[in-house]
Amino acid sequence: DAMVIQNPRYQVTQFGKPVTLSCSQTLNHNVMYWYQQKSSQAPKLLFHYYDKDFNNEADTPDNFQSRRPNTSFCFLDIRSPGLGDAAMYLCATSRDLAGGGSYEQYFGPGTRLTVT
Amino acid sequence: QQQVKQSPQSLIVQKGGISIINCAYENTAFDYFPWYQQFPGKGPALLIAIRPDVSEKKEGRFTISFNKSAKQFSLHIMDSQPGDSATYFCAATNNNAGNMLTFGGGTRLMVKP
Repeated sequence: DAMVIQNPRYQVTQFGKPVTLSCSQTLNHNVMYWYQQKSSQAPKLLFHYYDKDFNNEADTPDNFQSRRPNTSFCFLDIRSPGLGDAAMYLCATSRDLAGGGSYEQYFGPGTRLTVT
Repeated sequence: QQQVKQSPQSLIVQKGGISIINCAYENTAFDYFPWYQQFPGKGPALLIAIRPDVSEKKEGRFTISFNKSAKQFSLHIMDSQPGDSATYFCAATNNNAGNMLTFGGGTRLMVKP
């Protein structure tokens, strides 16, 4: 089945120790997103890619970076995690409207990040 | 202008009852209104969506009612089941925003057996 895969599902890192979360998709969607979701809150968009074009949300901290080496993979790098970065990180994909897609976003299961 | 306000924050319904979650928006340019369902430890999944050219859309036990003049839309879950217990997010977007979703704050639904 076509899907969005996130690894690892659970990640524990130390305060200040860089961490990388990964996302892959078999849907061949050209748009990929990274969201941060804290407990009892809605997902908050960090950034997204239209193909290789990177779009950063204005309030995304510089501590968060992303890479998309190809259509299928996208990475979220947190350079110096703080305690406030503990959250669920969700990857999502969609096909853009110009490409015959729809507004629907397909979410992965998320990676729960714990910062000790 | 971009906010979507969702209520209630939490909801408890007896099995077989009707669950109603409401959302209101400000941006009249929004033209797509999805509802996402999220179970604990899982990513959100699209449940049902509506465009403003219709006032209601029904899929099984789930119905969206849309009131364009009031800038409000709601999710009705008929014959609510314990398996419906989840967090529900309304959202909105438009072509100018690309595929970017503006989410409501979420409603945690508990359906009691």
